[in-house]
Amino acid sequence: KQEVTQIPAALSVPEGENLVLNCSFTDSAIYNLQWFRQDPGKGLTSLLLIQSSQREQTSGRLNASLDKSSGRSTLYIAASQPGDSATYLCAVYGGATNKLIFGTGTLLAVQP
Amino acid sequence: GAVVSQHPSRVICKSGTSVKIECRSLDFQATTMFWYRQFPKQSLMLMATSNEGSKATYEQGVEKDKFLINHASLTLSTLTVTSAHPEDSSFYICSAATGMAGANVLTFGAGSRLTVL
Repeated sequence: KQEVTQIPAALSVPEGENLVLNCSFTDSAIYNLQWFRQDPGKGLTSLLLIQSSQREQTSGRLNASLDKSSGRSTLYIAASQPGDSATYLCAVYGGATNKLIFGTGTLLAVQP
Repeated sequence: GAVVSQHPSRVICKSGTSVKIECRSLDFQATTMFWYRQFPKQSLMLMATSNEGSKATYEQGVEKDKFLINHASLTLSTLTVTSAHPEDSSFYICSAATGMAGANVLTFGAGSRLTVL
């Protein structure tokens, strides 16, 4: 059974800091991994998608890496801003169950 | 890009009534759709996987007679919460996949917030 864990569960940083969010998964036979952002009471915003054959993807201040063999992904946020405050979710698709399984989430607060 | 429309976005109902939530892929055919539930301050939990023209596959602990899923066409899946109770109040969200193995990308609906009084 695929299990996806995110560390830390919550993070509070001052504005301007660079930060790293971690995601680990137990079944490495995945098609892809996605990072999402969710604002309170809202739906999901897709940030980055990494296919299993890729090692990283970048979009603006965001960089996501994937090490499939070790079952890990990181989301790097450069020069954090208060507007980055949200819950960040990683999700892996594929594996033996061919499902999209979400991680436990990291609640990020960027203090002005 | 691919768009998934979910309706209604919010619904309030009385205990004991049934509520239907629709998930439509607007510009692509979705062979597989997934339904998730999210309780406050928790992550998304997969409820069931529906494939067009066949019965849905439910995750362990999800009552199939309470959460009826129908995927009658390649663009529409519905989730019906039957005899809803306050503990069913949650955020329900669907996603759709094109079914191309190795290149699957899931597109999510905006979610439906159900409140059962």
